[in-house]
Amino acid sequence: SVLLYQKPNRDICQSGTSLKIQCVADSQVVSMFWYQQFQEQSLMLMATANEGSEATYESGFTKDKFPISRPNLTFSTLTVNNARPGDSSIYFCSSRAGQDTQYFGPGTRLLVL
Amino acid sequence: GDQVEQSPSALSLHEGTGSALRCNFTTTMRAVQWFQQNSRGSLINLFYLASGTKENGRLKSTFNSKESYSTLHIRDAQLEDSGTYFCAAGGSNAKLTFGKGTKLSVKS
Repeated sequence: SVLLYQKPNRDICQSGTSLKIQCVADSQVVSMFWYQQFQEQSLMLMATANEGSEATYESGFTKDKFPISRPNLTFSTLTVNNARPGDSSIYFCSSRAGQDTQYFGPGTRLLVL
Repeated sequence: GDQVEQSPSALSLHEGTGSALRCNFTTTMRAVQWFQQNSRGSLINLFYLASGTKENGRLKSTFNSKESYSTLHIRDAQLEDSGTYFCAAGGSNAKLTFGKGTKLSVKS
């Protein structure tokens, strides 16, 4: 299994500001992903974080709005640029150690005022 | 349309009873995972299945890839089982697509 840690676990920010969410795995993992979950809704895959190269974004998510870095096999950062109230949600990182089970971090609750 | 159709959207059980949740897939899925999301928002891994049936305590899950569905059975429901249950399935690219979730409320 893989343990994932996220920092911060919650944040409140003003509209127009940017914030960073960090994800750390307790072991090297090949695949890392970021998900967004609005209140009372399902999880939506935002992007795949690729080590040493640009992230691969899903439809509706862009690198200008949600830049993602992955400098090594245990770490990734998601930035929310020009935050808006509509970005208020929980952000999860996840990873797979091999070909099967995907594990999730505890999530970061973001509130944009 | 949605690739993962989860039902029911909400379920209320009395303690000690049981029920089943179901996910239907509109495309071929390689594997399915089931999660419980608790009141703090944490996602708890329940099962990973590439095929067949797995059981863990009061929970049992089945994945039938040929008929494109998966089920999660809960028996002898307890208050701590309350929460939202999600299935998530992955195709050949291994990206997980989540169902919309089942909000389970267990009452005494």
